[in-house]
Amino acid sequence: TQLLEQSPQFLSIQEGENLTVYCNSSSVFSSLQWYRQEPGEGPVLLVTVVTGGEVKKLKRLTFQFGDARKDSSLHITAAQPGDTGLYLCAGGRRSNDYKLSFGAGTTVTVRA
Amino acid sequence: GAVVSQHPSWVICKSGTSVKIECRSLDFQATTMFWYRQFPKQSLMLMATSNEGSKATYEQGVEKDKFLINHASLTLSTLTVTSAHPEDSSFYICSASSGGWETQYFGPGTRLLVL
Repeated sequence: TQLLEQSPQFLSIQEGENLTVYCNSSSVFSSLQWYRQEPGEGPVLLVTVVTGGEVKKLKRLTFQFGDARKDSSLHITAAQPGDTGLYLCAGGRRSNDYKLSFGAGTTVTVRA
Repeated sequence: GAVVSQHPSWVICKSGTSVKIECRSLDFQATTMFWYRQFPKQSLMLMATSNEGSKATYEQGVEKDKFLINHASLTLSTLTVTSAHPEDSSFYICSASSGGWETQYFGPGTRLLVL
């Protein structure tokens, strides 16, 4: 059983549309990271959130950490083909020496 | 930004041989390094955590005698897959952090194929 549940598992949209990926857990996390991974490459860090209710924006990407620090969301506005990739959320807990628990990932495909 | 490299990027070996994978933090001192493996279409699974100068801590189900980890310096950790078998074929990824709650930065991964 995954500690972090990501949804949806797959997402295919047209260029210009918006999308949201969710990351949910019953556990509280000290920090939560979002990564994007291309095939055959390692994950690339997009953002780290540590405060409940925190919202961070990175150009067309908006990240939110839930008030209770159990869930997070990634919203992409006006998606572009370059946004295609595997999006992973990962949470760290002080009680687990900050080791990261990864969600199963969301495969996003943006069609031109 | 923090850069982590891995070498080799891919390796093909015969069953029974040992393979060493290097993970280096290029522009920061990594007190902690992590080793993950990732099967196709799946997420990352943590194998072990290593702190510089200490023995690695392995996750449940990971054989420490099979996957030897050495974190000899603040910029280098190695993973040796001993007596590799086809079921060890996978994508191995390391990450490095300055320790504690600090963000982990990932290497580009090493694709291992055991024939």
